[in-house]
Amino acid sequence: DVVLTQTPSTLSATIGQSVSISCRSSQSLLDSAGNTYLYWYLQRPGQSPQLLIYLVSNLGSGVPNRFSGSGSGTDFTLKISGVEAEDLGVYYCMQATHAPYTFGAGTKLELK
Amino acid sequence: QVQLKESGPGLVQPSQTLSLTCTVSGFSLTSYSVHWVRQHSGKSLEWMGRMWSDGDTSYNSAFTSRLSISRDTSKSQVFLKMNSLQTEDTGTYYCARIGLRRDYWGQGVMVTVSS
Repeated sequence: DVVLTQTPSTLSATIGQSVSISCRSSQSLLDSAGNTYLYWYLQRPGQSPQLLIYLVSNLGSGVPNRFSGSGSGTDFTLKISGVEAEDLGVYYCMQATHAPYTFGAGTKLELK
Repeated sequence: QVQLKESGPGLVQPSQTLSLTCTVSGFSLTSYSVHWVRQHSGKSLEWMGRMWSDGDTSYNSAFTSRLSISRDTSKSQVFLKMNSLQTEDTGTYYCARIGLRRDYWGQGVMVTVSS
């Protein structure tokens, strides 16, 4: 199975600060059709995961544009340009290129 | 309005079978896949399997021998059955319509495996 390694495991930020989360895959997530099925999710306390980014860099429906995704192959990054209070929670990357789908261990974003 | 809702017993005894139902609304099961994902308390997410829109299924090999996913399209329901439950199967089970641009997840159902 594909292993996704997220760093850091915990991130402390102040409101307005920009932060980045890394997600590294144990194998390339580029499929034979040229698509890279790398997603980013946010799970707020007591809630279900919600989609932020799909196909590496595409913003999910209704997601604020302070969120952005980048990367290719095995290295991916989620950036939040100006953290807001509603952004606190646990961030997960997920790959859907290779079966079974797998998730990273998560990065907890908390207030400093 | 797309919605998914999980239902099932909150407590299951070890070695018994878990049966969960995902009832969907706002879309047809013959047009979209539905996935099952579980989460141990305070831990990451684990993809379990998928009911494809054509009725086919895919499973995580970690569960293959004891997991079954089925559906009743007339009732807009997808079912998860997993046998030989152990305490490590305790967690929150989600059904979800995972796609591009927009995802939909149920609120999850908490399952505790304990005697």
